[in-house]
Amino acid sequence: DTVLTQSPALAVSPGERVSISCRASEGVNSYMHWYQQKSGQQSRLLIYKASSLPSGVPARFSGSGSGTDFTLTIDPVEADDTATYFCQQSWNDPLTFGSGTKLEIK
Amino acid sequence: QVQLQQSETELVKPASSVKISCKASGYTFTSNYMHWIRHQPGNGLEWIGWIYPGNGNTKYNQKFDGKATLTADKSSSTAYMQLSSLTSEDSAVYFCARSVNYGSFDYWGQGVMVTVSS
Repeated sequence: DTVLTQSPALAVSPGERVSISCRASEGVNSYMHWYQQKSGQQSRLLIYKASSLPSGVPARFSGSGSGTDFTLTIDPVEADDTATYFCQQSWNDPLTFGSGTKLEIK
Repeated sequence: QVQLQQSETELVKPASSVKISCKASGYTFTSNYMHWIRHQPGNGLEWIGWIYPGNGNTKYNQKFDGKATLTADKSSSTAYMQLSSLTSEDSAVYFCARSVNYGSFDYWGQGVMVTVSS
């Protein structure tokens, strides 16, 4: 299975820029997607196919990468962005998920 | 608006089966794949499989083949997952999620906690 590796936690101040990485154990083309999961809420799709923004997602969120290395960037970070962010690939079978990066806003 | 409403928490005995549901509303149920995903503390998220309600086709993660059975009822816009031969290892929160662009999931259910205990 394709393993997606994310750093466990990050802490940033409001107004800063933060980059969250996701590294795949094998190539996933550009079929990487990013989600935000807040405590007690359903997961929210932030980025699909590495860099595409779904309707309704603020342009503060952006994605980049292809192959095995991907990045979700939030710029500028807001206090409400406190959440866990996880990646998911849909190129290789089975679909797999990263373990998530917990973002703390100082 | 699109909603995926899942059934309630389940407490079930080892060796039994459980069937959980995911009622879709706000879109054409037969037009999107419905996926099922498991979350266990320490194991993260695992993809179980998908069903295409339009024709009933299914695909499973090999790990869950024989454990999970996915079905869908077009008349009630409800997707189901039956888990069989339950053990404590199956205790988890199970989500349904609608897939859209390129295999991403734009709507998720609220999750169903299944606890397997005698």
